[in-house]
Amino acid sequence: EVKLQQSGDELVRPGASVKMSCKASGYTFTDYAMHWVKQSPGQGLEWIGTIIPLIDTTSYNQKFKGKATLTADKSSNTAYMELSRLTSEDSAVYYCAREGSWYFDYWGQGVMVTVSS
Amino acid sequence: DIQMTQSPASLSASLGETVTIQCRASEDIYSGLAWYQQKPGKSPQLLIYGASSLQDGVPSRFSGSGSGTQYSLKISSMQTEDEGVYFCQQGLKYPYTFGAGTKLELK
Repeated sequence: EVKLQQSGDELVRPGASVKMSCKASGYTFTDYAMHWVKQSPGQGLEWIGTIIPLIDTTSYNQKFKGKATLTADKSSNTAYMELSRLTSEDSAVYYCAREGSWYFDYWGQGVMVTVSS
Repeated sequence: DIQMTQSPASLSASLGETVTIQCRASEDIYSGLAWYQQKPGKSPQLLIYGASSLQDGVPSRFSGSGSGTQYSLKISSMQTEDEGVYFCQQGLKYPYTFGAGTKLELK
């Protein structure tokens, strides 16, 4: 069974950074790209970027360049996303999602990030 | 970026009613379209990919159609468990983009 298990919800101070994880199981981690998607409160979905774990290649939405950094650890089948210089605009739920060929066939449960002093 | 415009923003349907949701892309996406269902507090779930291919495990009352810039999702007989928000997504080119969503409620 394919499963993407994300780390827990985060409460962070403005200006700080946060790093979240997405541990994959039930499939060969290096066979699929991993994507990250943002969902702001009551809002739609925004694509942040993707990483191909096999070759550590990343692609980012221009809007999130400098904000998000994607990495992957093949030894632990885990993808990571770090968000930097957080503001209230970054308060949202963040999902990791496996790419099944340009669509997302499996999603993590989401990490809620709250930016507040 | 490719803009995805969904309509309607919300609708309500009776049990057994046929429901249709539309999605228009700002340019030809060559059937590179997926549909997702999201329930409150849950992550989105893939329903349809390639504009018309049904994801494994998804009930056959869901179907997708369309080409070029115009696509639609049809639910042939509304059920209670179909309540939720539906999103379309284009996968032709980066950045992948989503429609704003259609909230479907039971009447």
